[in-house]
Amino acid sequence: NAGVTQTPKFQVLKTGQSMTLQCAQDMNHEYMSWYRQDPGMGLRLIHYSVGAGITDQGEVPNGYNVSRSTTEDFPLRLLSAAPSQTSVYFCASSYSKGGGSPLHFGNGTRLTVT
Amino acid sequence: SQQGEEDPQALSIQEGENATMNCSYKTSINNLQWYRQNSGRGLVHLILIRSNEREKHSGRLRVTLDTSKKSSSLLITASRAADTASYFCATDYGNNRLAFGKGNQVVVIP
Repeated sequence: NAGVTQTPKFQVLKTGQSMTLQCAQDMNHEYMSWYRQDPGMGLRLIHYSVGAGITDQGEVPNGYNVSRSTTEDFPLRLLSAAPSQTSVYFCASSYSKGGGSPLHFGNGTRLTVT
Repeated sequence: SQQGEEDPQALSIQEGENATMNCSYKTSINNLQWYRQNSGRGLVHLILIRSNEREKHSGRLRVTLDTSKKSSSLLITASRAADTASYFCATDYGNNRLAFGKGNQVVVIP
């Protein structure tokens, strides 16, 4: 199993541009989520999904959209990039949507917005 | 949401020594988890302790949880250079939503 795969690994955007960060998992996990990691602030939850067709907001959802059309994929869309969205983005999945199970993380996408 | 807070923030030890990190949180939790992150990589799950458990072991790792004090500790025994990483505690506040602390940098000197 490849686990959780994120693409691209690095991305530079100009302010106002849009892009989609891709996330795919091959473990048939129901639960998927997106976090951002900023220096000195730990990881913060952006959006999460407990199954195909179901998404919900996390702690810092503004400026981001998600959809979950399949169990495997959970893309994160930046509608109009801002410098404040410069961060490292991690996708994670878990077999249990109800909690109490470990998260499996991808290796991250490092995004810079100029 | 609640944030776990690790203490100390940075730790430098000699290979073979034990490393202890503490984590505090603010509200009730379903479980508490510890993760490791090597530089430039994603987080790797180490251990999960449920709110009704007080201690858990996994290899050289020992985690304790004190819900009355809202705190947890992670002990790594007989540290190795490969243990050099950042360590995060995370509290599950429902439906796999985790609130992470800011992380603990551990450097193990060979």
